[in-house]
Amino acid sequence: AQKITQTQPGMFVQEKEAVTLDCTYDTSDQSYGLFWYKQPSSGEMIFLIYQGSYDEQNATEGRYSLNFQKARKSANLVISASQLGDSAMYFCAMGANILTGGGNKLTFGTGTQLKVEL
Amino acid sequence: KAGVTQTPRYLIKTRGQQVTLSCSPISGHRSVSWYQQTPGQGLQFLFEYFSETQRNKGNFPGRFSGRQFSNSRSEMNVSTLELGDSALYLCASTKLDRPSTDTQYFGPGTRLTVL
Repeated sequence: AQKITQTQPGMFVQEKEAVTLDCTYDTSDQSYGLFWYKQPSSGEMIFLIYQGSYDEQNATEGRYSLNFQKARKSANLVISASQLGDSAMYFCAMGANILTGGGNKLTFGTGTQLKVEL
Repeated sequence: KAGVTQTPRYLIKTRGQQVTLSCSPISGHRSVSWYQQTPGQGLQFLFEYFSETQRNKGNFPGRFSGRQFSNSRSEMNVSTLELGDSALYLCASTKLDRPSTDTQYFGPGTRLTVL
């Protein structure tokens, strides 16, 4: 079974500062994917970034980067130069690699509510 | 390219009724997954459909069912509604054309309130 742990229920960051949202995971699978999603108050889940378990380099997408430490089973999201529009709930999720035949099932953490302040 | 669409966006039902939610995936996406989000239980996987077949199912009672049509559109049905079924129901679609990158793209959700 897969498990995602997000230990920060809420975080505050000043505008233009960087912030790190923590995520640890547990799985017995050798091949898996790690995802971060943003959920504004409107409810829609917005895909931010993906990291495959066999990817040797940390994923980056614009202001988002994923600090992947496989041995520690952590996949922290780093947001650089925070903006007011970044205020939202952030979810870390794990999915089975399609090659393993696990199908498309995401296991989510409990989320971190990020508030960006002026 | 249009994103995932879900209808209706909001629903109010009473206990005992049934409800059908609809999801249209991104064009070319073949897999559709459904999730339930509640304040108490968080985000939970309901089921996944691929090529009109249910491929995965979460730990939900049989009152929750779904189907997928030949055009990849999907519906989920909840019969005999209970108060605890009040939730945001999210649909996600995946293209499945690249092994190991099965990113799911979500729709805006349907917010169901059971009175």
